[in-house]
Amino acid sequence: QVQLVESGGGVVQPGGSLRLSCAASGFTFNSYAMHWVRQAPGKELEWVAFMGYDGSEKNYADSVKGRFTISRDNSKNTLYLQMNSLRAEDTAVYYCAKDVFGTTPYYFDSWGQGSLVTVSS
Amino acid sequence: QSVLTQPPSVSGAPGQRVTISCTGSSSNIGAGRDVHWYQQLPGTAPKLLISRNNNRPSGVPDRFSGSKSGTSASLAITGLQAEDEADYYCQSYDSSLSSSVFGGGTKLTVL
Repeated sequence: QVQLVESGGGVVQPGGSLRLSCAASGFTFNSYAMHWVRQAPGKELEWVAFMGYDGSEKNYADSVKGRFTISRDNSKNTLYLQMNSLRAEDTAVYYCAKDVFGTTPYYFDSWGQGSLVTVSS
Repeated sequence: QSVLTQPPSVSGAPGQRVTISCTGSSSNIGAGRDVHWYQQLPGTAPKLLISRNNNRPSGVPDRFSGSKSGTSASLAITGLQAEDEADYYCQSYDSSLSSSVFGGGTKLTVL
């Protein structure tokens, strides 16, 4: 069965950096696109970033463009999100999610349990 | 303000039928983009409920169904049960934004 396990969350000061990881298992990781989706406390889901199966396609929400970088290591079955210049409004639970396609964003058929990132001084 | 618009809340008694709407625009649902629905139980990660407008993944009860018309989509839940109390989100793709988009979520309360 598909398993996605996020790690790397924590408390960071405004302007700081953090890297999230998502360890994948139970499917052929290098065949599927992956996403990061976040949810601020008590708020709705917000799509953050997308990466195609081989890393050649990627896209970001305007709210994080230029500050966040999505990447993947298919040899380690792991997805990453490097978050720089963090702001208070980036405080959220960050989920990694598996797409059903390899190159085109479509929908998310599996989700991790989430990793909480808190940006606060 | 979410790109897809959902009612903040709906409610119904056990056994009743409720619907949740999801309204988009000509750059997403109206452009023929599929709509997908997720259920988020309290304190848990979202779970795929309906894909491609009206397809239920294995394990999802047939009490849940989806439909799409024009620039809107709907999720219907029949035979409401206490365990259906959750937040429900619609999702599609927006061609103008070149990004996946979610609705603002609807909280379902079973009375």
